[in-house]
Amino acid sequence: EVQLVTSGGDLVPPGGSLRLSCVAPGLTFSSDWIHWVRQAPGKGLEWVAAKKLDGSVENYVDFLRGRFTISRDNAKNSLYLRMDSLRVEDTAVYYCVGSRGWIFYNWGQGTLVTVSS
Amino acid sequence: DIVMTQSPDSLAVSLGERATINCKSSQSVLSRPNNENYLSWFQQKPGQPPKLLIYYASTRESGVPDRFSGSGSGTDFTLTISSLQAEDVAVYYCQQYYSDPLTFGGGTKVEIK
Repeated sequence: EVQLVTSGGDLVPPGGSLRLSCVAPGLTFSSDWIHWVRQAPGKGLEWVAAKKLDGSVENYVDFLRGRFTISRDNAKNSLYLRMDSLRVEDTAVYYCVGSRGWIFYNWGQGTLVTVSS
Repeated sequence: DIVMTQSPDSLAVSLGERATINCKSSQSVLSRPNNENYLSWFQQKPGQPPKLLIYYASTRESGVPDRFSGSGSGTDFTLTISSLQAEDVAVYYCQQYYSDPLTFGGGTKVEIK
């Protein structure tokens, strides 16, 4: 199984920006899609965004569209989640997830984003 | 958006006994072209990412013990742990992948009685 490594989480002030990374070290992505799913402390799971790995499609949950953007660097086997205008309620562990179709079979370990002054 | 509702929020079951978790979707997740229900179940232990247990409502992921089973169709689904083991203590989530946005149930915490 390809290990997805998620990084980039940090403490940022409200209104700040952050870029999260999802890397499959040494291998190309073997999934059809890569998704971002977040989990606020002590809460449930929330799908955030997804990108089809042929680059043809991107999906975002409506209330985050415009603030969050997915991009990819093929040369680095990396996928990124750019988050702008961060709010306290964006505080969560963010998971990078590989899917077959939309079946979430490969979860990275997650990275913590804390939005606080 | 499809709303996923799980019940109960938590349950305590004796070791070796059956645990049953329910999941209801606000609209059908059955795909008519292939007659598959686009419903997954995940297990999440403390400090770990979720792990896929079941997809297409009843297909067990490779390596998942056969005490885990999924059933249901349309809007009503069930995850059953036939004989609870200590390592099954976790939070369980259902998820629909029938339509965007993909949505999860609120989770069910399973503990040992």
